Amino acid sequence: GENVEQHPSTLSVQEGDSAVIKCTYSDSASNYFPWYKQELGKGPQLIIDIRSNVGEKKDQRIAVTLNKTAKHFSLHITETQPEDSAVYFCAVFPRNTGNQFYFGTGTSLTVIP
Amino acid sequence: EAQVTQNPRYLITVTGKKLTVTCSQNMNHEYMSWYRQDPGLGLRQIYYSMNVEVTDKGDVPEGYKVSRKEKRNFPLILESPSPNQTSLYFCASTRTGVTGELFFGEGSRLTVL
Repeated sequence: GENVEQHPSTLSVQEGDSAVIKCTYSDSASNYFPWYKQELGKGPQLIIDIRSNVGEKKDQRIAVTLNKTAKHFSLHITETQPEDSAVYFCAVFPRNTGNQFYFGTGTSLTVIP
Repeated sequence: EAQVTQNPRYLITVTGKKLTVTCSQNMNHEYMSWYRQDPGLGLRQIYYSMNVEVTDKGDVPEGYKVSRKEKRNFPLILESPSPNQTSLYFCASTRTGVTGELFFGEGSRLTVL
């Protein structure tokens, strides 16, 4: 199956700074790359996604970039706020290997006020 | 309100005592799946279902069973739980085509003694 690596596993930033989380994947046929945010005691929620025909997508303070050649994609959060503190998961949907999402191992982001 | 509902949210049981974690969604989604979340391992798929009466193994199906008799329900069955099945479990659903938002339940924390 797909191999998704996510870095870093923990990240602390000062409020107002930017945070970047990176994921790499192995299956070049993958075509859908969502990011999920999991707050304490809750299930993950989709915050942004990107498809393979697009290089970058932005939604207010969050953005995702995709480099298909290098097989990596990144989540960028600008002007971080304490409510951004959570665990973030990247995911990959490999088109040719069935109907499964493969998730990264998660990044615990702490925004220090 | 669109939601995925899991029960129970918390359960402590003993080795070998059969249990069922229920999952229900009210969004008329065809696709449903179960994940387990363990520290450092992210979210790993146990089973998924593309539609009623159609189920497939994910990456970690050993020790689990599922059924999909109705579109809205997708129960996870542990016939003979063991301590290595102590974990946080999530049910998720999405519409046909799969490459869209996965809606997660709030999670079920299971401890097997």
